[in-house]
Amino acid sequence: DTAVSQTPKYLVTQMGNDKSIKCEQNLGHDTMYWYKQDSKKFLKIMFSYNNKELIINETVPNRFSPKSPDKAHLNLHINSLELGDSAVYFCASSQDGARSYGYTFGSGTRLTVV
Amino acid sequence: SQKIEQNSEALNIQEGKTATLTCNYTNYSPAYLQWYRQDPGRGPVFLLLIRENEKEKRKERLKVTFDTTLKQSLFHITASQPADSATYLCALGGYSSASKIIFGSGTRLSIRP
Repeated sequence: DTAVSQTPKYLVTQMGNDKSIKCEQNLGHDTMYWYKQDSKKFLKIMFSYNNKELIINETVPNRFSPKSPDKAHLNLHINSLELGDSAVYFCASSQDGARSYGYTFGSGTRLTVV
Repeated sequence: SQKIEQNSEALNIQEGKTATLTCNYTNYSPAYLQWYRQDPGRGPVFLLLIRENEKEKRKERLKVTFDTTLKQSLFHITASQPADSATYLCALGGYSSASKIIFGSGTRLSIRP
């Protein structure tokens, strides 16, 4: 059983399109996150939800909109995709804000905007 | 601004030796520090967490130290094996459950047979 699963694994799309990435966790964790990993391998947090409530909203373009229908799901919708959005996007979950056991990450979605 | 540096982008050592990776930080007073392993095409995997009041933590062949005066953590893999080859990331977290965790850019470790 995959603990944190995100789909799709690869996404190639043209500039200007709208796309979504889905994430689900079956660990019963209370907090979920979206991270972006750029070409230099830096992982930067984008959003965090705790029990469906947005608690971290970093400075990202408002073309990016997270949605958490329940505490096991956190989806990421991106409008009007740009070349600079190309990166690997990771979903993660944690219990207790990762202060005891760390994050559990999904395997990533490699987004390529052409 | 808060900054984390893993001061070796890549480290290449002989199998059986101890690998030592360094994580330094500035402008931050973390409550804890974490280490993750990331393999190509995969998400990071949590390895160890050490709190600000702990000096050292061990798990099997892994050892982490945390010096809040030097603002540095060292990550050791003893009796290294080729299977230990991966990128290792350090991350810092704050006191609140709403605090974001900040990641370093990682050190790519290669263990040669």
